[in-house]
Amino acid sequence: DVKVTQSSRYLVKRTGEKVFLECVQDMDHENMFWYRQDPGLGLRLIYFSYDVKMKEKGDIPEGYSVSREKKERFSLILESASTNQTSMYLCASSLSQNYGYTFGSGTRLTVV
Amino acid sequence: QKEVEQNSGPLSVPEGAIASLNCTYSDRVSQSFFWYRQYSGKSPELIMSIYSNGDKEDGRFTAQLNKASQYVSLLIRDSQPSDSATYLCAVNRDNYGQNFVFGPGTRLSVLP
Repeated sequence: DVKVTQSSRYLVKRTGEKVFLECVQDMDHENMFWYRQDPGLGLRLIYFSYDVKMKEKGDIPEGYSVSREKKERFSLILESASTNQTSMYLCASSLSQNYGYTFGSGTRLTVV
Repeated sequence: QKEVEQNSGPLSVPEGAIASLNCTYSDRVSQSFFWYRQYSGKSPELIMSIYSNGDKEDGRFTAQLNKASQYVSLLIRDSQPSDSATYLCAVNRDNYGQNFVFGPGTRLSVLP
């Protein structure tokens, strides 16, 4: 089974801090995604990547950046954390459209 | 119009009954459709995919797709309390088929 590993299950950071969320997948998937999930708002796409060094903005990229230096790793960066970035962050990967996503276990980030 | 719509629920059904979950989407060119199940505090897990009009069965689950009417549904037969979760509909929206938009989810409660 594909495994998508997010480095932290819970994080608490201070306003203004630079925050790194790491995601690693072990099945050589080309496609990786970062979503955030908030009550009443559902899953919203932040950034995605179809290849190493490639990145595309999703629906809510403001305040975030990403890095994909290696195929298996896709990092989400909060440049200067703010309280409105308190959320559950979900990383996902996929082989192709026929296989759907495999999600990581999520990182619950609290910004205080 | 929202891209993907679902009734938020909660949908309550007695144990052993059929649960019917519905999803409508706005993009006529969408080709790939998925259902995910998300237990409280957990990340979504893929349970069904469907690409062609008609029904697709997998155990107690049946996905139904009608592209002309732009809806996709999920039937759960012989519902069990362990099926109590939020069910998310996902629809592709990218020419490469890798980028999905999620509905807000329907919360299902199966009563013993």
